[in-house]
Amino acid sequence: DSGVTQTPKHLITATGQRVTLRCSPRSGDLSVYWYQQSLDQGLQFLIQYYNGEERAKGNILERFSAQQFPDLHSELNLSSLELGDSALYFCASSVGVDGNQPQHFGDGTRLSIL
Amino acid sequence: AQSVAQPEDQVNVAEGNPLTVKCTYSVSGNPYLFWYVQYPNRGLQFLLKYITGDNLVKGSYGFEAEFNKSQTSFHLKKPSALVSDSALYFCAVRSRYGGATNKLIFGTGTLLAVQP
Repeated sequence: DSGVTQTPKHLITATGQRVTLRCSPRSGDLSVYWYQQSLDQGLQFLIQYYNGEERAKGNILERFSAQQFPDLHSELNLSSLELGDSALYFCASSVGVDGNQPQHFGDGTRLSIL
Repeated sequence: AQSVAQPEDQVNVAEGNPLTVKCTYSVSGNPYLFWYVQYPNRGLQFLLKYITGDNLVKGSYGFEAEFNKSQTSFHLKKPSALVSDSALYFCAVRSRYGGATNKLIFGTGTLLAVQP
């Protein structure tokens, strides 16, 4: 058990809809990362937050947004969903912001767009 | 630009035999290097990392990896494979230089299949 909790585990919705994915980081970790995993794109970094502030940004679409709350949990919001957004979305956490620390991953949310 | 390559989509090995999963990278300056493993329907699990120091890094479950700067490689190895090692393995690299665009880059993954 990594200590990172993601909810829900599965999400099925339709095109054009909006969903929110939730992540609780490992106790003591201040950084939260969001990734998208799909068969054609592999594992893609979306965004990182550190102690409530956006720290780094990757290939995140404008339709997607995230935030980290004072209790350090994070939410990833996906709107105007398209079929191509179907993927596994992972949250990871680490103690600090330095790149030399391992990230600890949750078990992901599987998003299916019908 | 940072990149990482895992040239083999799949590696097959018999139980008890040594295994190697290959990884090469491209990054400015000295890298931070990681190996992760993913079991079905699970998130990635950290195996080991190279930050500095000894080129041979030991990690979880008997795995080790060798950092080779001249060949820009970080191959994952284990002396004796177990059937339970069968999983998807990811190599990842990150530049030591910080910044808003610096991120951990993952390879495409190598499926390790260990036959009994």
